[in-house]
Amino acid sequence: QVTLKESGPALVKPTQTLTLTCTFSGFSLNTGGMRVSWIRQPPGKALEWLARIDWDDEKFYSTSLKTRLTISKDTSKNQVVLTMTNMDPVDTATYYCARYAISGYHFDYWGQGTLVTVSS
Amino acid sequence: QSALTQPASVSGSPGQSISISCTGTSSDVGAYNYVSWYQQHPGKAPKLMIYDVSNRPSGVSTRFSGSKSGNTASLTISGLQAEDEAEYYCSSHTTSSTSVFGTGTKVTVL
Repeated sequence: QVTLKESGPALVKPTQTLTLTCTFSGFSLNTGGMRVSWIRQPPGKALEWLARIDWDDEKFYSTSLKTRLTISKDTSKNQVVLTMTNMDPVDTATYYCARYAISGYHFDYWGQGTLVTVSS
Repeated sequence: QSALTQPASVSGSPGQSISISCTGTSSDVGAYNYVSWYQQHPGKAPKLMIYDVSNRPSGVSTRFSGSKSGNTASLTISGLQAEDEAEYYCSSHTTSSTSVFGTGTKVTVL
């Protein structure tokens, strides 16, 4: 079955770089049409789409955060990594990874999320 | 990319029907039939309820339905039940090949 799980630091300091890893199973990013996104949700606020990487290594980023984000994949490890530079307290959020449905345009499987707090 | 606009809250009594709107632009909601809806209970990950405007994934109750007209999509919950109380988000694929979410709607069962 398809599962995704996020991992990374629970606490980062302002100005630091955040690195999050999404480890998945039940599918391969080598398969045509497979795509994985990162999405975040500040406490009590709405979901915000951040970035997506496709099976062919094409990458897409949120316009507002593009300069701070880098998404990459390691297909041998079934992992997708997101880095976000220059972290600020407003970046405190639960970060989710989610699979974009194959040949579709919706998120069919989600990780449980990981809470990242930005504080000195 | 601006967030899609949803009402902050919608409420209804058990058994009633409610609808949640999701307004975007010609670059997202109006561009394709790629609107999806997610249900989120407190402390949980979102769950897919509707995709491609009006399709239900396997296992989702037939009480949930979706539609779209122009730049506005809608989610309707009929026969409202206590377990439907949750936050609901719409999402759309965009002409830039990115995704955008709605502002979220809190559904309260009275």
